[in-house]
Amino acid sequence: DTEVTQTPKHLVMGMTNKKSLKCEQHMGHRAMYWYKQKAKKPPELMFVYSYEKLSINESVPSRFSPECPNSSLLNLHLHALQPEDSALYLCASSLKASEGQPQHFGDGTRLSIL
Amino acid sequence: AQRVTQPEKLLSVFKGAPVELKCNYSYSGSPELFWYVQYSRQRLQLLLRHISRESIKGFTADLNKGETSFHLKKPFAQEEDSAMYYCALSNRQGGSEKLVFGKGTKLTVNP
Repeated sequence: DTEVTQTPKHLVMGMTNKKSLKCEQHMGHRAMYWYKQKAKKPPELMFVYSYEKLSINESVPSRFSPECPNSSLLNLHLHALQPEDSALYLCASSLKASEGQPQHFGDGTRLSIL
Repeated sequence: AQRVTQPEKLLSVFKGAPVELKCNYSYSGSPELFWYVQYSRQRLQLLLRHISRESIKGFTADLNKGETSFHLKKPFAQEEDSAMYYCALSNRQGGSEKLVFGKGTKLTVNP
């Protein structure tokens, strides 16, 4: 399996809902990433996990809560989001979070906040 | 601050013409640079990394430290090269590395 799989593909939620995005890879990668991508903009890094530990948080609001339960899974828990949080959320993985390793991206979850 | 600049938002060429997508960077140290590509309705994927010095799909990119550039070139563009291209810099932070993306260049290859 050489892919990063993200579920769901689309998600519509209200501002008071709680939902989670899921990301999975079985390539033995030990670094996993969350990005946010607005329309016609480049991906912006949110979080980096290295060996299941959070190593970078790019000052992301606490309404986004990442979790890495094991080396193959990465979750992003969402609560009390704002309309401006509507975007494509991309997950990526790499062999390590170092040494210029290339990242493998998932298809993303398109999130709409009502 | 680490930054990647892609000066062209849009680039349009005819099939068979040479194409060059420009990328300039600012980084205090030895940079790790990449080109990522996103074809229509496909996921973002790695095209090239400077450290491997390889040619993928006919594309090459040379790191020029003097000019702080990493331009992407192809001598004869094909219609299937039409896509969004992002230049990215790997930036070390807190023991991990993160990618800093340029704003991207949308390449259209006309028949």
